[in-house]
Amino acid sequence: NAGVTQTPKFQVLKTGQSMTLQCAQDMNHEYMSWYRQDPGMGLRLIHYSVGAGITDQGEVPNGYNVSRSTTEDFPLRLLSAAPSQTSVYFCASSYGGSSTDTQYFGPGTRLTVL
Amino acid sequence: LAKTTQPISMDSYEGQEVNITCSHNNIATNDYITWYQQFPSQGPRFIIQGYKTKVTNEVASLFIPADRKSSTLSLPRVSLSDTAVYYCLVARETGANNLFFGTGTRLTVIP
Repeated sequence: NAGVTQTPKFQVLKTGQSMTLQCAQDMNHEYMSWYRQDPGMGLRLIHYSVGAGITDQGEVPNGYNVSRSTTEDFPLRLLSAAPSQTSVYFCASSYGGSSTDTQYFGPGTRLTVL
Repeated sequence: LAKTTQPISMDSYEGQEVNITCSHNNIATNDYITWYQQFPSQGPRFIIQGYKTKVTNEVASLFIPADRKSSTLSLPRVSLSDTAVYYCLVARETGANNLFFGTGTRLTVIP
C-alpha cells in the first residue's frame, strides 16, 4: 500500500491564483481530512469528510473548498490564493471517524503564496 | 475537548531514557490519551494510545496515573533518529474532527 499520497510536494503561487492540492489513499478509509501547519504552531483542521459525498468544515475553512466524489480522493481547492495561506498542508485518513482511530498522514505539500 | 499542556522542548543524550509529561486536567471519562510523532518535513505518525495505567509497544510506553489528569510518554534509549516533535492529544470516540494538535514537544537527541 502507498498509504496517503499528496501532490505536489512544493508549489509557489501568486496572490489571486487558484489551485488544487491532491490527496489520495489506498487503504479504503472512510474518514479523510486536511490540516495546515504554520511555523511554530500545531496542525489546524481545515475540512474533513466522513465518507464519499459528505464534507464538513473544520477550524479554519475560509478560502478553501473540498469535495469527496470517491472514497480514495479528497482534493483541497484554494479559490483565490492569499499570502496568509502560505503553509504546509497535510492530508490524513483513518478507518473510522473517531478521533481514537489512528490517523495516517501524507508527506505534506509546502505552499508559498507571493 | 480537553486541551493538553506539554513542555515546548527537551534535550537528551543518545542512549538515555526520555520521559515527556503531558497535562490534561479536564480529561473526560470517555477520553483517550494519544501521542503522535512528527519528523521534520513529514506528517505526524501515531505512536501510542492509552486509557489508564500503562501501555507499551515496540516504540514507547505510556504511563497514565489513576486520576488521568496527566500522562508520561517514555522513550527507552533514544537515538539521533528520535529527534522529532511529539504531540500529546486527548481523543474522544465522538469524532476525529475534534483532534487538537498543540505545538508539541520538540525533542532533540544529542550525540
